[in-house]
Amino acid sequence: EIVLTQSPGTLSLSPGERATLSCRASQSVSSSYLAWYQHKPGQAPRLLMYGASSRATGTPDRFSGSGSGTDFTLTISRLEPEDFAVYYCQQYGTSPVTFGGGTKVEIK
Amino acid sequence: EVQLLESGGDFVQPGGSLRLSCAVSGFSFLSYAMSWVRQAPGKGLEWVSAISDSGAATRYADSVKGRFTISRDNSKNTLYLEMNSLRGEDTALYHCATTAVISTGMYYFHYWGQGTLVTVSS
Repeated sequence: EIVLTQSPGTLSLSPGERATLSCRASQSVSSSYLAWYQHKPGQAPRLLMYGASSRATGTPDRFSGSGSGTDFTLTISRLEPEDFAVYYCQQYGTSPVTFGGGTKVEIK
Repeated sequence: EVQLLESGGDFVQPGGSLRLSCAVSGFSFLSYAMSWVRQAPGKGLEWVSAISDSGAATRYADSVKGRFTISRDNSKNTLYLEMNSLRGEDTALYHCATTAVISTGMYYFHYWGQGTLVTVSS
């Protein structure tokens, strides 16, 4: 199965700053079938991006995704208070689908 | 508003059984494939099982194959997960999620519930 490694484990930033989250796959992700989710404690996870760079319904345009092959990035251009959460990547190009271990974006 | 509400999580001994439910509202349940995704304490997310919109096709992670059964009742807008021969490693928060199917075994997940906690311990 494809192993996804997310880095950094924790990102400490202030509101208004730019966040860059990395997701690296152990083998190439077919057709850039990569999704990103946001998860806040006690809440349901939320789909942010799919197809590596397509925003899900309701995802603000300060979120952008890029990458292909084995290296993918989620960028939050300017952090809003509601963006502090854990972010997971997920590949769905190869069965079984797998998730990364998550990056926590915390307030500095 | 799309809502998914899981229930049925409990404390159970190893070897025991449990049935989880996921009641949905706010969308056409019978139009969507559905999945269960779990998160063990301090760990990442793990896809567990998926079922087609009609219920005719099901798929399982190797870690639960032969022990868990996914099903749905489209007349009740409810998804189920029957869990047997439970092990300590099944301890997790179990989320149900609407599922976009790219091909067999290739899914991502649109909408999620908050989850129901299953604890397996003696």
